Amino acid sequence: SQELEQSPQSLIVQEGKNLTINCTSSKTLYGLYWYKQKYGEGLIFLMMLQKGGEEKSHEKITAKLDEKKQQSSLHITASQPSHAGIYLCGADRAAGNKLTFGGGTRVLVKP
Amino acid sequence: ETGVTQSPTHLIKTRGQQVTLRCSSQSGHNTVSWYQQALGQGPQFIFQYYREEENGRGNFPPRFSGLQFPNYSSELNVNALELDDSALYLCASSPGLSNQPQHFGDGTRLSIL
Repeated sequence: SQELEQSPQSLIVQEGKNLTINCTSSKTLYGLYWYKQKYGEGLIFLMMLQKGGEEKSHEKITAKLDEKKQQSSLHITASQPSHAGIYLCGADRAAGNKLTFGGGTRVLVKP
Repeated sequence: ETGVTQSPTHLIKTRGQQVTLRCSSQSGHNTVSWYQQALGQGPQFIFQYYREEENGRGNFPPRFSGLQFPNYSSELNVNALELDDSALYLCASSPGLSNQPQHFGDGTRLSIL
């Protein structure tokens, strides 16, 4: 099994609906990063979470970190076609920016 | 502010050949990390360079090697290419080793025939 499990692996959502992506770690988290990737392109930084219970929001995207459960969630409110892409969570195990990534969640937003 | 740039964007090689990929870090960033992303998977950490020294390595064989230059740009070299080396190679830079998000380039797509 992978160190970081993302669920679901893919999802299709109607424009305007909300969606949630989960990231579960099998090891202790030092820092948790969320990135977005368009197919075949580089990763775009979304958010960084470092403390248990931390929650951050940017525009319509909210990310939370549950340190005890070693889980993070990414929630998108009122999805738009621009939210389509691959969402990746990355864990920094021991500080130092050497990230372990999950397998990604592929999001398609239907107009 | 110039972001992370990688070259070339695409490359086709045959088994057994050698390849060099290049990365220019974002201005002010002294740390560069390289990742390999196979199709349909998340990126895997190859190694990291901090102030011209290797600072950590993932589970990759020695035929994957790298360099970082005084201007903090970096190279990834792969010898004796194998079919499984076909992937998107991503470079990321950050202003230090911790508590700072990495910024990624658009990657080099390497295809091995």
